Amino acid sequence: AQSVTQLGSHVSVSEGALVLLRCNYSSSVPPYLFWYVQYPNQGLQLLLKYTSAATLVKGINGFEAEFKKSETSFHLTKPSAHMSDAAEYFCAVSVPSGGYNKLIFGAGTRLAVHP
Amino acid sequence: EPEVTQTPSHQVTQMGQEVILRCVPISNHLYFYWYRQILGQKVEFLVSFYNNEISEKSEIFDDQFSVERPDGSNFTLKIRSTKLEDSAMYFCASSEDSQRGNQPQHFGDGTRLSIL
Repeated sequence: AQSVTQLGSHVSVSEGALVLLRCNYSSSVPPYLFWYVQYPNQGLQLLLKYTSAATLVKGINGFEAEFKKSETSFHLTKPSAHMSDAAEYFCAVSVPSGGYNKLIFGAGTRLAVHP
Repeated sequence: EPEVTQTPSHQVTQMGQEVILRCVPISNHLYFYWYRQILGQKVEFLVSFYNNEISEKSEIFDDQFSVERPDGSNFTLKIRSTKLEDSAMYFCASSEDSQRGNQPQHFGDGTRLSIL
């Protein structure tokens, strides 16, 4: 069964520091993977998606993620954190189900950025 | 950019009462979903809907839940007799396609449901 594990429920970085949010997946088929961000009191906004076209995926707001099949990972990175990046980040895998697809989410990682 | 809109943003209801959560998906999308997030827990799939019928539902989606697309724009989630454990944030999502898993789902801002 497909699943997603996010390591670290809370990550804290200094402004300007590297952001690394970890996501490992389990899938019996080639996965489609997504990162979503949730700002306070808002919904889930798509950051980026992996759909097998390229292993390094660039998203919005300077984020990118690299798909590594050998490590079953899809970690999210950003070279330099900004205060506005403080939010909760969710990794998700698209799971075939009854001819359609649904998303299975990880538990989320709350990113704090301090001055 | 088109977006999914949900109303109300916050709903407070007495236990045992019926509640209807409303969503307007993106206009050219054909696949619709409800997810929920209990405070401090994962976002969980509830139900998917296509061509005016449920395509899949989770074990959470019992007989107290129903979905409907009453007209060409709205997509609703009804809980017939609410329980305390139904308190959660409910998210609506839509996508252009669901048979190809690479199509992203676009989410609304959610409805926070509080059962008293």
